[in-house]
Amino acid sequence: QQPVQSPQAVILREGEDAVINCSSSKALYSVHWYRQKHGEAPVFLMILLKGGEQKGHEKISASFNEKKQQSSLYLTASQLSYSGTYFCGTARGKLIFGQGTELSVKP
Amino acid sequence: GAGVSQSPSNKVTEKGKDVELRCDPISGHTALYWYRQSLGQGLEFLIYFQGNSAPDKSGLPSDRFSAERTGGSVSTLTIQRTQQEDSAVYLCASSYDGWAGANVLTFGAGSRLTVL
Repeated sequence: QQPVQSPQAVILREGEDAVINCSSSKALYSVHWYRQKHGEAPVFLMILLKGGEQKGHEKISASFNEKKQQSSLYLTASQLSYSGTYFCGTARGKLIFGQGTELSVKP
Repeated sequence: GAGVSQSPSNKVTEKGKDVELRCDPISGHTALYWYRQSLGQGLEFLIYFQGNSAPDKSGLPSDRFSAERTGGSVSTLTIQRTQQEDSAVYLCASSYDGWAGANVLTFGAGSRLTVL
């Protein structure tokens, strides 16, 4: 079952904040976040594990609500380099990705 | 190698022809994944390997698609009798072990397939 992401797209000005949400209908062990810039491969941002452990980049923050089977990615003080498509993935053996959230940061 | 290597980077073929796409994972990574990304779309899971075995091939769209992995390393995705709807970027990823729950996937740059 594919996780559902919202919003589908968001446009920000530099310095603004954004939240991207990911929800699943199935119980989750972990949630992954990846970012893909146009024409490039997806790049790892963060893994959030059941029980509270996180692995990822220091400047990225995210939450994982195991009970609600939801995760949110928080982008604060956005920079132009944050532009791209953000994918959440839910892992049950294999990693299934949501449809993506396109983020555009304008000067 | 230092990263996940995929070849060819671009492939244009005629409808009905067979194509082979190759993935060379990071050395020491036992798990290997294939995803498909159609224009403007998300990442569609196709198959994953743990070593040379494929515990989950549930994402393969039809029996025209097959994949194998040899020596716990290189993998080949074969599409027989290609159709126009097969046009997409095919992404390969590898991770240290098979259980994606706590392991980072490293993606290759992809193979762009265009079926005329």
